[in-house]
Amino acid sequence: GQNIDQPTEMTATEGAIVQINCTYQTSGFNGLFWYQQHAGEAPTFLSYNVLDGLEEKGRFSSFLSRSKGYSYLLLKELQMKDSASYLCAVEAGNNRKLIWGLGTSLAVNP
Amino acid sequence: DSGVTQTPKHLITATGQRVTLRCSPRSGDLSVYWYQQSLDQGLQFLIQYYNGEERAKGNILERFSAQQFPDLHSELNLSSLELGDSALYFCASSPGPDLVYGYTFGSGTRLTVV
Repeated sequence: GQNIDQPTEMTATEGAIVQINCTYQTSGFNGLFWYQQHAGEAPTFLSYNVLDGLEEKGRFSSFLSRSKGYSYLLLKELQMKDSASYLCAVEAGNNRKLIWGLGTSLAVNP
Repeated sequence: DSGVTQTPKHLITATGQRVTLRCSPRSGDLSVYWYQQSLDQGLQFLIQYYNGEERAKGNILERFSAQQFPDLHSELNLSSLELGDSALYFCASSPGPDLVYGYTFGSGTRLTVV
């Protein structure tokens, strides 16, 4: 079967660093996405990893290890506005469908 | 504004009824995807259209149907509605038939079935 696991909830402090993990088991792998979703709003694209390694984009970085079926999203210098759900999604299979995790709800406290 | 337009934003209807959700993709995008998001299920892919043709099908119920018109807007029809159909319905678009750098999502339609 196809499975993506993320922690359900995380809490962090403003100004700190937080790492959100995602593990996946899918039939085939083409790439992995991270999206941010504020409550009641549309998901917005954060990052896309195809090759192993770390991709840095401002305060956000995403890491991928294909051999381990593992990714993480690293958020630095946390701000209150980073309180949101973070969704991990894997593009898998010949039809290149996206399989979504249930998301990690991050609460940033002052 | 993402450029993907969904209407209506909110919809309240009774069980057994039928509704139509509308989506206009971002200018230049040929693919439209429909998703259902509920609290316990997360984002569930329903169906994809590319340039007017159905391209991929996910967990779409037989009571649900969709189409993409020549002007590339898409409609999702939900019939014989049940309480469990209450959810956020998102439309997303992308330039081509396959994903390269992800979708652009619309702001969603919140459907409440009472």
